[in-house]
Amino acid sequence: DAGVIQSPRHEVTEMGQEVTLRCKPISGHDYLFWYRQTMMRGLELLIYFNNNVPIDDSGMPEDRFSAKMPNASFSTLKIQPSEPRDSAVYFCACAGSRNEKLFFGSGTQLSVL
Amino acid sequence: AQKITQTQPGMFVQEKEAVTLDCTYDTSDQSYGLFWYKQPSSGEMIFLIYQGSYDEQNATEGRYSLNFQKARKSTNLVISASQLGDSAMYFCAMREEGAQKLVFGQGTRLTINP
Repeated sequence: DAGVIQSPRHEVTEMGQEVTLRCKPISGHDYLFWYRQTMMRGLELLIYFNNNVPIDDSGMPEDRFSAKMPNASFSTLKIQPSEPRDSAVYFCACAGSRNEKLFFGSGTQLSVL
Repeated sequence: AQKITQTQPGMFVQEKEAVTLDCTYDTSDQSYGLFWYKQPSSGEMIFLIYQGSYDEQNATEGRYSLNFQKARKSTNLVISASQLGDSAMYFCAMREEGAQKLVFGQGTRLTINP
């Protein structure tokens, strides 16, 4: 298995632009998480899904952020419009049905200028 | 309130020495899980070791072991015979009963000196 695959690895965009981050979880893993990592706030959970259904989105900072999981093998995190304070590393992670350890993707380094 | 506290922002250790990274947690649940992850400079998050709250034995995985003190709500990571490749950020995390998400501490940056 290739592990959790995130794309792009790096994204540089201008303020106001739409940004879409993508994630392909490990096959058969029922839980999918989106985390954001910054120096100031550390690792924050934004949202997580179970069997493609959003369970907890209380960490989504504001309406500019949205996440979808149309099927078991794909999820997106969208920021529209993006702002400089959204600059961070965004991680996708997944876990099996027993939800033990999380397997993380390599992350997307987002820079909003 | 902070759920996970890592009080050591940075640590410097000589190669081959053992190192202990501190982590305390806050929960009223009886059942929970504790995790440690390593994040090298390349950025990926690597799972190291897990301890369940009902596990009677301290978890061990190769050179990694946990000093789990339930009454004190602490789960310190011990790395024996440190190597240069151990230089990284180390994160402690907890999953509470009934919750699926992991809550992470702020991390400790470990530097191994030759």
